[in-house]
Amino acid sequence: DIQMTQSPSSLSASVGDRVTITCRASQTVSRYLNWYQQKLGNAPKLLIYGASTLQSGVPSRFSGSGSETHFILTISSLQPEDFATYYCQQNNITPYTFGQGTKLEIK
Amino acid sequence: VQLQESGPGLVKPSETLSLTCTVSGDSVSSDSYYWTWVRQSPGKGLEWIGYIYDSENTIYNPSLKNRVTISIDTSTNQLFLKMTSVTAVDTAVYYCVTEERFRFDSWGPGILVTVSS
Repeated sequence: DIQMTQSPSSLSASVGDRVTITCRASQTVSRYLNWYQQKLGNAPKLLIYGASTLQSGVPSRFSGSGSETHFILTISSLQPEDFATYYCQQNNITPYTFGQGTKLEIK
Repeated sequence: VQLQESGPGLVKPSETLSLTCTVSGDSVSSDSYYWTWVRQSPGKGLEWIGYIYDSENTIYNPSLKNRVTISIDTSTNQLFLKMTSVTAVDTAVYYCVTEERFRFDSWGPGILVTVSS
């Protein structure tokens, strides 16, 4: 199985901050890398697919980059509604696998 | 597409977990999607269980060791998950999900299933 490792596991930041979350794959996933946001009690929500394509309706402050084994999710200016847990996930090879999550908290 | 999971919230160890996902907004026989189950537990995080496509083709996570069956009923427009010989480690929130073009774009709200005697 492809192991997905996110860093950091948790992060404290303030409204207006620029935040980056890193995801590394144990082997190449090409650009079949997606990012999800999950708020407490809710299902994950797709933010970015194909490493860098913004899902319809997702604010442009979210962006993704990377390929092969190294990927980054950036939030350019944190808003109060962005405090949540973020997951990366590879759809290149089954079994599809997720990162362990990055919990973004208010400083 | 809207998805809604249903089923028992409590299952005894060694028994079979059976969940239903009722689909609206599209047909489960549609070839636009891979109809997928994902679960989330505190211990293992998010875990892909498997999917069905073209009404009858299935791919499962090998970690579930042949305990899982995913099927659909086109007459009721529902997706099903059966997992046999459950133990406490199968306690999780189970999600019905659509995979379209290599991304999970629609999720049901999820259903918590607890395995306990």
